[in-house]
Amino acid sequence: SQTIHQWPATLVQPVGSPLSLECTVEGTSNPNLYWYRQAAGRGLQLLFYSVGIGQISSEVPQNLSASRPQDRQFILSSKKLLLSDSGFYLCAWSAGHYGYTFGSGTRLTVV
Amino acid sequence: KNEVEQSPQNLTAQEGEFITINCSYSVGISALHWLQQHPGGGIVSLFMLSSGKKKHGRLIATINIQEKHSSLHITASHPRDSAVYICAAHSGGGADGLTFGKGTHLIIQP
Repeated sequence: SQTIHQWPATLVQPVGSPLSLECTVEGTSNPNLYWYRQAAGRGLQLLFYSVGIGQISSEVPQNLSASRPQDRQFILSSKKLLLSDSGFYLCAWSAGHYGYTFGSGTRLTVV
Repeated sequence: KNEVEQSPQNLTAQEGEFITINCSYSVGISALHWLQQHPGGGIVSLFMLSSGKKKHGRLIATINIQEKHSSLHITASHPRDSAVYICAAHSGGGADGLTFGKGTHLIIQP
């Protein structure tokens, strides 16, 4: 069966520090992968999506970047975190029209 | 770009009540998702539907494609149903992701 792993579950980082959130998928190949963010009081917003290794599309300009070094691995990064990067980050995958599977999410607090 | 609106934003009800959460979207979609987010933040996919009605236990989801509207119903509500319920619209094929509503914060009091 298909599963998705996202870690860590919670993270507290100081302003200016780097960030790396990882998401891996099992049980499928060549999935579409997504990073979403939920800022306080707002709905989930698409940050990045990837249709294949090394292929990253960004939906909104921001202090973040994404990479897909392997077919089932999707990484969200920042070189220097800002206070405004705080929020709930969610990884998801889909295989076209077969619905979405969501990770458990990472709650990031930048202090 | 699709706009997804949910109502109500907040809902408090007594245990046993019938709950309805509404979702409207502005652009034709290929599928609509209902998600549940518990206080810890983790998200669970409840339904994906493109027409008609689906039922799972005490949860029922309906969609009216012509009216661009979907509802999530909870029968015989229970305190453990307390969560944020989110609808999300999938407007195209494959890689364009989902457009999410802001969520409905549901509290069921015993």
